[in-house]
Amino acid sequence: KAGVTQTPRYLIKTRGQQVTLSCSPISGHRSVSWYQQTPGQGLQFLFEYFSETQRNKGNFPGRFSGRQFSNSRSEMNVSTLELGDSALYLCASRREGVRVSPLHFGNGTRLTVT
Amino acid sequence: AQSVTQLGSHVSVSEGALVLLRCNYSSSVPPYLFWYVQYPNQGLQLLLKYTSAATLVKGINGFEAEFKKSETSFHLTKPSAHMSDAAEYFCAVSDRLGGSEKLVFGKGMKLTVNP
Repeated sequence: KAGVTQTPRYLIKTRGQQVTLSCSPISGHRSVSWYQQTPGQGLQFLFEYFSETQRNKGNFPGRFSGRQFSNSRSEMNVSTLELGDSALYLCASRREGVRVSPLHFGNGTRLTVT
Repeated sequence: AQSVTQLGSHVSVSEGALVLLRCNYSSSVPPYLFWYVQYPNQGLQLLLKYTSAATLVKGINGFEAEFKKSETSFHLTKPSAHMSDAAEYFCAVSDRLGGSEKLVFGKGMKLTVNP
């Protein structure tokens, strides 16, 4: 079974630009979450999507947004990039309807903002 | 709010030695707890999870963790370290709200294994 797939693996952008990251969950997983990982702040929750609806949101500015498609694939978008947005962005999926279904993570997209 | 504390950021052991990575949690409800491992340039891989079924949880790669409610701890251990165990380890607690579930992670512990 294929794992969580994130594209692209690496991105370099300039301040002020916007970026879109993509995530394909494990087949059959309908919940998709996004996390930001930085050396200073560690792993922080961005948002969770289920059935094309945002179900939970972390404490990030409105420049960070996401969406989920009917096939459960998800994208996140960051507008007006700042240097501090440089991070590893991790997508995770899990199966609904199973007690304590753990998150399965992709290998992440490394975003560098210059 | 749920939280996790991993004291320190680095631990170094010799190959064949005991690995002990500490994790303390704070939770207002019976917690679901997880240990994840991250190898360089990769995502997080689940090592094991605690769901209240048993206090001693066995995971992959020879790791296990013991849930101790009285100490609010969920320490990760492995009897004999291998070079391939060198990685960063994260403890996490589940923060559940309705049907949503997010993980609150500790700061992580980088494990170095010396030959």
